[in-house]
Amino acid sequence: GENVEQHPSTLSVQEGDSAVIKCTYSDSASNYFPWYKQELGKRPQLIIDIRSNVGEKKDQRIAVTLNKTAKHFSLHITETQPEDSAVYFCAASRTGANNLFFGTGTRLTVIP
Amino acid sequence: GAVVSQHPSRVICKSGTSVKIECRSLDFQATTMFWYRQFPKKSLMLMATSNEGSKATYEQGVEKDKFLINHASLTLSTLTVTSAHPEDSSFYICSGASGSKYEQYFGPGTRLTVT
Repeated sequence: GENVEQHPSTLSVQEGDSAVIKCTYSDSASNYFPWYKQELGKRPQLIIDIRSNVGEKKDQRIAVTLNKTAKHFSLHITETQPEDSAVYFCAASRTGANNLFFGTGTRLTVIP
Repeated sequence: GAVVSQHPSRVICKSGTSVKIECRSLDFQATTMFWYRQFPKKSLMLMATSNEGSKATYEQGVEKDKFLINHASLTLSTLTVTSAHPEDSSFYICSGASGSKYEQYFGPGTRLTVT
Protein backbone atom coordinates (compact mmCIF):
# COMPACT_ATOMS: atom_id res chain seq x y z
CA GLY A 1 0.00 0.00 0.00
CA GLU A 2 0.84 3.67 -0.04
CA ASN A 3 3.26 5.14 2.50
CA VAL A 4 3.33 8.89 2.98
CA GLU A 5 6.07 10.53 4.97
CA GLN A 6 5.94 14.14 6.12
CA HIS A 7 8.58 16.53 7.43
CA PRO A 8 9.10 18.38 9.63
CA SER A 9 6.92 17.24 12.49
CA THR A 10 7.02 20.70 14.05
CA LEU A 11 7.76 24.05 12.50
CA SER A 12 7.93 27.48 14.07
CA VAL A 13 8.17 30.62 11.98
CA GLN A 14 7.94 34.31 12.63
CA GLU A 15 4.84 36.06 11.41
CA GLY A 16 5.34 37.17 7.84
CA ASP A 17 7.90 34.51 7.04
CA SER A 18 7.29 31.53 4.76
CA ALA A 19 6.67 27.96 5.84
CA VAL A 20 7.42 24.86 3.79
CA ILE A 21 6.23 21.35 4.56
CA LYS A 22 7.40 18.38 2.52
CA CYS A 23 5.93 14.96 1.85
CA THR A 24 7.05 11.90 -0.03
CA TYR A 25 4.94 9.02 -1.23
CA SER A 26 5.74 5.50 -2.31
CA ASP A 27 3.00 4.45 -4.75
CA SER A 28 3.73 5.73 -8.24
CA ALA A 29 0.06 5.19 -9.08
CA SER A 30 -1.01 7.91 -6.64
CA ASN A 31 -2.33 10.87 -8.56
CA TYR A 32 -4.19 13.08 -6.10
CA PHE A 33 -2.48 14.99 -3.31
CA PRO A 34 -4.55 17.09 -0.92
CA TRP A 35 -3.39 19.13 2.04
CA TYR A 36 -5.49 19.48 5.15
CA LYS A 37 -5.37 21.92 8.02
CA GLN A 38 -6.59 20.71 11.38
CA GLU A 39 -7.06 22.87 14.43
CA LEU A 40 -7.14 21.26 17.85
CA GLY A 41 -10.19 19.06 18.28
CA LYS A 42 -11.63 20.08 14.93
CA ARG A 43 -12.15 18.37 11.62
CA PRO A 44 -9.48 18.42 8.90
CA GLN A 45 -10.19 21.15 6.38
CA LEU A 46 -9.02 20.85 2.79
CA ILE A 47 -6.88 23.88 1.97
CA ILE A 48 -5.44 22.97 -1.40
CA ASP A 49 -4.97 19.93 -3.59
CA ILE A 50 -3.07 18.99 -6.70
CA ARG A 51 -3.48 16.31 -9.30
CA SER A 52 -0.62 14.56 -11.00
CA ASN A 53 -1.20 16.27 -14.33
CA VAL A 54 0.16 19.57 -12.99
CA GLY A 55 3.36 20.49 -11.23
CA GLU A 56 2.24 23.49 -9.25
CA LYS A 57 -0.92 25.11 -7.97
CA LYS A 58 -1.38 28.34 -6.11
CA ASP A 59 -4.20 29.85 -4.13
CA GLN A 60 -3.37 33.24 -2.65
CA ARG A 61 -0.75 32.64 0.06
CA ILE A 62 -0.77 28.88 -0.33
CA ALA A 63 0.96 26.89 -3.06
CA VAL A 64 1.67 23.24 -3.63
CA THR A 65 4.34 21.73 -5.85
CA LEU A 66 4.54 18.18 -7.11
CA ASN A 67 7.51 16.25 -8.44
CA LYS A 68 6.17 12.97 -9.82
CA THR A 69 9.57 11.64 -10.75
CA ALA A 70 10.91 12.03 -7.25
CA LYS A 71 7.52 11.25 -5.69
CA HIS A 72 7.41 14.23 -3.45
CA PHE A 73 5.17 17.23 -2.98
CA SER A 74 5.39 20.31 -0.84
CA LEU A 75 3.15 22.92 0.74
CA HIS A 76 4.31 26.51 0.75
CA ILE A 77 2.66 29.17 2.89
CA THR A 78 3.87 32.72 2.37
CA GLU A 79 3.36 35.76 4.59
CA THR A 80 2.35 33.54 7.47
CA GLN A 81 -0.15 34.80 10.02
CA PRO A 82 -0.88 33.59 13.57
CA GLU A 83 -4.15 32.07 12.37
CA ASP A 84 -2.13 29.77 10.14
CA SER A 85 -1.03 27.97 13.31
CA ALA A 86 -2.44 24.44 13.17
CA VAL A 87 -1.50 20.90 12.24
CA TYR A 88 -1.12 20.31 8.53
CA PHE A 89 -1.49 16.91 6.93
CA CYS A 90 -0.55 15.85 3.44
CA ALA A 91 -2.24 12.89 1.84
CA ALA A 92 -2.15 10.81 -1.31
CA SER A 93 -4.62 8.68 -3.18
CA ARG A 94 -5.17 7.26 -6.60
CA THR A 95 -7.99 7.08 -9.10
CA GLY A 96 -10.61 4.52 -8.32
CA ALA A 97 -9.48 3.97 -4.79
CA ASN A 98 -10.53 7.16 -3.05
CA ASN A 99 -8.62 6.02 0.03
CA LEU A 100 -6.53 8.81 1.45
CA PHE A 101 -3.21 7.91 3.01
CA PHE A 102 -2.14 10.62 5.39
CA GLY A 103 1.25 11.87 6.38
CA THR A 104 2.13 12.12 10.04
CA GLY A 105 1.35 15.81 10.29
CA THR A 106 3.27 19.03 10.88
CA ARG A 107 2.47 21.28 13.77
CA LEU A 108 2.99 24.82 12.50
CA THR A 109 3.33 27.65 14.97
CA VAL A 110 3.42 31.20 13.70
CA ILE A 111 4.96 33.49 16.26
CA PRO A 112 3.46 37.01 16.31
CA GLY B 1 -19.42 23.24 0.18
CA ALA B 2 -20.19 19.69 1.19
CA VAL B 3 -21.11 19.23 4.83
CA VAL B 4 -20.71 16.15 6.96
CA SER B 5 -22.07 15.88 10.46
CA GLN B 6 -21.25 13.42 13.21
CA HIS B 7 -23.15 12.49 16.30
CA PRO B 8 -22.40 12.45 19.12
CA SER B 9 -19.48 14.85 19.36
CA ARG B 10 -18.41 13.37 22.67
CA VAL B 11 -19.33 10.16 24.41
CA ILE B 12 -18.20 8.51 27.59
CA CYS B 13 -19.06 4.90 28.12
CA LYS B 14 -18.19 2.11 30.50
CA SER B 15 -15.90 -0.71 29.55
CA GLY B 16 -17.81 -3.58 27.96
CA THR B 17 -20.61 -1.49 26.51
CA SER B 18 -21.18 -0.63 22.86
CA VAL B 19 -21.27 2.81 21.32
CA LYS B 20 -22.75 3.90 17.99
CA ILE B 21 -21.45 6.90 16.09
CA GLU B 22 -23.43 8.36 13.21
CA CYS B 23 -22.01 10.11 10.19
CA ARG B 24 -24.30 12.02 7.85
CA SER B 25 -23.70 13.84 4.60
CA LEU B 26 -26.08 16.78 4.74
CA ASP B 27 -26.01 18.23 1.24
CA PHE B 28 -24.55 15.56 -1.00
CA GLN B 29 -24.80 11.86 -1.60
CA ALA B 30 -21.82 10.09 -0.13
CA THR B 31 -21.39 6.99 -2.22
CA THR B 32 -18.31 6.20 -0.19
CA MET B 33 -17.72 6.90 3.46
CA PHE B 34 -14.51 6.49 5.39
CA TRP B 35 -13.85 6.03 9.07
CA TYR B 36 -10.63 7.23 10.64
CA ARG B 37 -9.17 7.04 14.07
CA GLN B 38 -6.88 9.69 15.43
CA PHE B 39 -4.85 9.47 18.62
CA PRO B 40 -3.69 12.67 20.34
CA LYS B 41 -1.12 14.51 18.29
CA LYS B 42 -1.09 11.76 15.71
CA SER B 43 -2.19 11.36 12.15
CA LEU B 44 -5.50 10.04 10.85
CA MET B 45 -5.45 6.29 10.44
CA LEU B 46 -7.95 4.85 8.00
CA MET B 47 -10.00 2.13 9.67
CA ALA B 48 -12.41 1.17 6.93
CA THR B 49 -14.05 2.21 3.69
CA SER B 50 -17.71 1.62 3.02
CA ASN B 51 -19.75 1.94 -0.13
CA GLU B 52 -23.49 2.38 0.17
CA GLY B 53 -25.21 -0.96 0.30
CA SER B 54 -21.99 -2.97 0.47
CA LYS B 55 -19.92 -4.45 3.22
CA ALA B 56 -17.15 -2.28 4.52
CA THR B 57 -13.54 -2.91 3.60
CA TYR B 58 -11.35 -2.87 6.68
CA GLU B 59 -7.72 -1.91 6.83
CA GLN B 60 -5.21 -4.39 8.08
CA GLY B 61 -5.23 -4.71 11.83
CA VAL B 62 -8.75 -3.34 12.29
CA GLU B 63 -11.14 -5.90 13.80
CA LYS B 64 -14.32 -5.93 11.76
CA ASP B 65 -16.25 -7.66 14.52
CA LYS B 66 -15.29 -4.97 16.97
CA PHE B 67 -15.85 -1.97 14.74
CA LEU B 68 -19.13 -2.59 12.96
CA ILE B 69 -19.79 -0.31 10.03
CA ASN B 70 -23.10 0.11 8.29
CA HIS B 71 -23.64 2.31 5.24
CA ALA B 72 -27.33 1.82 4.69
CA SER B 73 -28.02 4.95 2.66
CA LEU B 74 -26.22 7.54 0.59
CA THR B 75 -26.33 9.97 3.49
CA LEU B 76 -25.75 7.84 6.56
CA SER B 77 -23.02 5.59 7.83
CA THR B 78 -22.66 4.29 11.37
CA LEU B 79 -19.72 2.96 13.31
CA THR B 80 -20.46 0.80 16.33
CA VAL B 81 -17.66 0.10 18.75
CA THR B 82 -18.66 -3.15 20.40
CA SER B 83 -17.54 -4.21 23.86
CA ALA B 84 -15.49 -1.05 24.20
CA HIS B 85 -12.31 -1.01 26.25
CA PRO B 86 -10.20 1.89 27.48
CA GLU B 87 -7.74 1.38 24.63
CA ASP B 88 -10.58 2.17 22.21
CA SER B 89 -10.66 5.70 23.56
CA SER B 90 -9.82 7.95 20.65
CA PHE B 91 -11.05 10.60 18.25
CA TYR B 92 -13.11 9.00 15.48
CA ILE B 93 -13.63 10.97 12.28
CA CYS B 94 -15.71 10.05 9.27
CA SER B 95 -15.58 11.46 5.79
CA GLY B 96 -17.69 11.21 2.68
CA ALA B 97 -16.90 11.22 -0.99
CA SER B 98 -19.27 11.44 -3.93
CA GLY B 99 -18.97 9.21 -6.96
CA SER B 100 -15.58 9.28 -8.60
CA LYS B 101 -14.62 12.63 -7.11
CA TYR B 102 -11.35 12.73 -5.26
CA GLU B 103 -12.33 15.10 -2.50
CA GLN B 104 -13.31 13.82 0.90
CA TYR B 105 -15.33 15.95 3.28
CA PHE B 106 -14.75 15.33 6.94
CA GLY B 107 -17.11 15.25 9.85
CA PRO B 108 -16.29 17.13 13.06
CA GLY B 109 -15.24 13.97 14.84
CA THR B 110 -16.41 12.07 17.90
CA ARG B 111 -14.30 11.86 21.00
CA LEU B 112 -14.86 8.51 22.65
CA THR B 113 -13.73 7.92 26.20
CA VAL B 114 -14.09 4.45 27.67
CA THR B 115 -13.81 4.26 31.42
